[in-house]
Amino acid sequence: SQQGEEDPQALSIQEGENATMNCSYKTSINNLQWYRQNSGRGLVHLILIRSNEREKHSGRLRVTLDTSKKSSSLLITASRAADTASYFCATDARGGSNYKLTFGKGTLLTVNP
Amino acid sequence: ETGVTQSPTHLIKTRGQQVTLRCSSQSGHNTVSWYQQALGQGPQFIFQYYREEENGRGNFPPRFSGLQFPNYSSELNVNALELDDSALYLCASSAKGLAGGPKGYEQYFGPGTRLTVT
Repeated sequence: SQQGEEDPQALSIQEGENATMNCSYKTSINNLQWYRQNSGRGLVHLILIRSNEREKHSGRLRVTLDTSKKSSSLLITASRAADTASYFCATDARGGSNYKLTFGKGTLLTVNP
Repeated sequence: ETGVTQSPTHLIKTRGQQVTLRCSSQSGHNTVSWYQQALGQGPQFIFQYYREEENGRGNFPPRFSGLQFPNYSSELNVNALELDDSALYLCASSAKGLAGGPKGYEQYFGPGTRLTVT
């Protein structure tokens, strides 16, 4: 079963604009991660935020986490055509011992040149 | 690009057959997880191997089985293939217990094996 739900399912923007994707999840978590996937290939780890953190930055990426609402957002600033991909949030459950990740269905981001 | 490799890249099998997929983990990683990704969906956790033993399993039947070898590489075996097994199979390695803090939770994915069952 899917833990998280990304919103929107698809997003189309122009190069240079910002892209915001949201993720909601159901159970208490240790960490939340965001991954990128290009054209049905392997996933690339983007950023991890711990449950006791509220915001984290990495280059053009900004992630926020609201554990009271069980939600997270990923902001990509000054988007580029190369950012076109599917973006997934993934959580690992608090108390879990096997580092299992539970993924949402993803947001398909298209950045038009 | 991660240091995780998978083989083969593509595979076509007939319903009822058996298949073995292979994964080599990133150097320094001791844990391998396998995921199934159906078209348009997020990856679904199949199972994880740590120190050559299964360390957690998702909601997949026993005909999905695996192995991890002393060099931390891994195999996924699927018996009695069904049409619904058609998917992208991803393996991911991580450094459970080796990396400090939450780093052990970061998983490094291979490019996947596209399995088509006809």
